[in-house]
Amino acid sequence: GNSVTQMEGPVTLSEEAFLTINCTYTATGYPSLFWYVQYPGEGLQLLLKATKADDKGSNKGFEATYRKETTSFHLEKGSVQVSDSAVYFCALRYNFNKFYFGSGTKLNVKP
Amino acid sequence: GAVVSQHPSRVICKSGTSVKIECRSLDFQATTMFWYRQFPKQSLMLMATSNEGSKATYEQGVEKDKFLINHASLTLSTLTVTSAHPEDSSFYICSAFLRLTGDTGELFFGEGSRLTVL
Repeated sequence: GNSVTQMEGPVTLSEEAFLTINCTYTATGYPSLFWYVQYPGEGLQLLLKATKADDKGSNKGFEATYRKETTSFHLEKGSVQVSDSAVYFCALRYNFNKFYFGSGTKLNVKP
Repeated sequence: GAVVSQHPSRVICKSGTSVKIECRSLDFQATTMFWYRQFPKQSLMLMATSNEGSKATYEQGVEKDKFLINHASLTLSTLTVTSAHPEDSSFYICSAFLRLTGDTGELFFGEGSRLTVL
């Protein structure tokens, strides 16, 4: 079946630190992969996506590369800011319009 | 970008009453919308797929008689929590699928609705 596993949080970093949030997936076929971000009290917003192997999604300094060989889509950012504090969800899209989400990873960035 | 609006954002009700949550796609037509429930440790659980003009498809373990879903138009889906109990207290999030070209598309989320059942 399809599933998404991401590292448990919370992750606490100092401002300007390097961020990695791991995400691995299990899927039949070749799903599209996504990272969503949820700020406190809000719904989810699309952060970046990749639709095929070796694609790199990027947005707002965040990057993730679709690695088919390791079935991973790790999220990275070179220098985090306090405003990046949020919950990050890894997700895969299968069967045209159905999505599976990981459990979310809370990021706390301290000044 | 596309906007999905959810209402109300917060609702408090007494045990045994019913609560309706609306999800609207403001600038696009969505033949398919989804309802999720978010648990305290941030996990997002797909409850059901709402299809315009037909019955919703519920995920395993979700009571369809308790969580009534109606997708009456291409821009509106509603979730009604019937005879709510304290264990139904949660954050409910809807999303609408915007189909682009071919089989590609994007999912847009509402702001979420915090339900508290006393």
